[in-house]
Amino acid sequence: DAKTTQPTSMDCAEGRAANLPCNHSTISGNEYVYWYRQIHSQGPQYIIHGLKNNETNEMASLIITEDRKSSTLILPHATLRDTAVYYCIVRVAIAGGGADGLTFGKGTHLIIQP
Amino acid sequence: DAGVTQSPTHLIKTRGQQVTLRCSPKSGHDTVSWYQQALGQGPQFIFQYYEEEERQRGNFPDRFSGHQFPNYSSELNVNALLLGDSALYLCASSRSPGLADQETQYFGPGTRLLVL
Repeated sequence: DAKTTQPTSMDCAEGRAANLPCNHSTISGNEYVYWYRQIHSQGPQYIIHGLKNNETNEMASLIITEDRKSSTLILPHATLRDTAVYYCIVRVAIAGGGADGLTFGKGTHLIIQP
Repeated sequence: DAGVTQSPTHLIKTRGQQVTLRCSPKSGHDTVSWYQQALGQGPQFIFQYYEEEERQRGNFPDRFSGHQFPNYSSELNVNALLLGDSALYLCASSRSPGLADQETQYFGPGTRLLVL
């Protein structure tokens, strides 16, 4: 799986949009971008994933650049409960095949300020 | 719809002992993966079970072993515990094989193991 690079930490004011960047310059054509977050001492929570098109769900939006070498996770209206470590993961997806273990980096510690 | 559950939530063992951790997957899921998360680090993949067999393994010694039951639940066993095995152990379930979009892994709350 391709390696990802994320900032170690970020601050965002409550109520504002939080934009978390991720670089994955060696991503291959069959690799998806996944985002998880982990609130202190809890299990990671799935947020969103995408291949090449932008994606949106009830939690967040994922913007993937046209060359797929970077992406941005957007939390549109951050609340104090969004304070967590956010992990960007690139993962090979084999249609009809097996899943594989996720490779986590150190992630971005997002702190939402009141 | 029950999510991924793990037991126990916390556990204290001494060096040299053996431990068994348990995981029940999310309803409809048939694949279970185990991860170890040391303090301040991201989770590290241990292994994955599908159809009661180990399908993939990360860089962990043979002291770490597992099992999957016909109802898809799973156990993680660690023998000859070391102080460095103290960590949060996470279980994740998914549904496979299938299209990639069906293979998202969902995590349980974890079991915190302390080895003294």
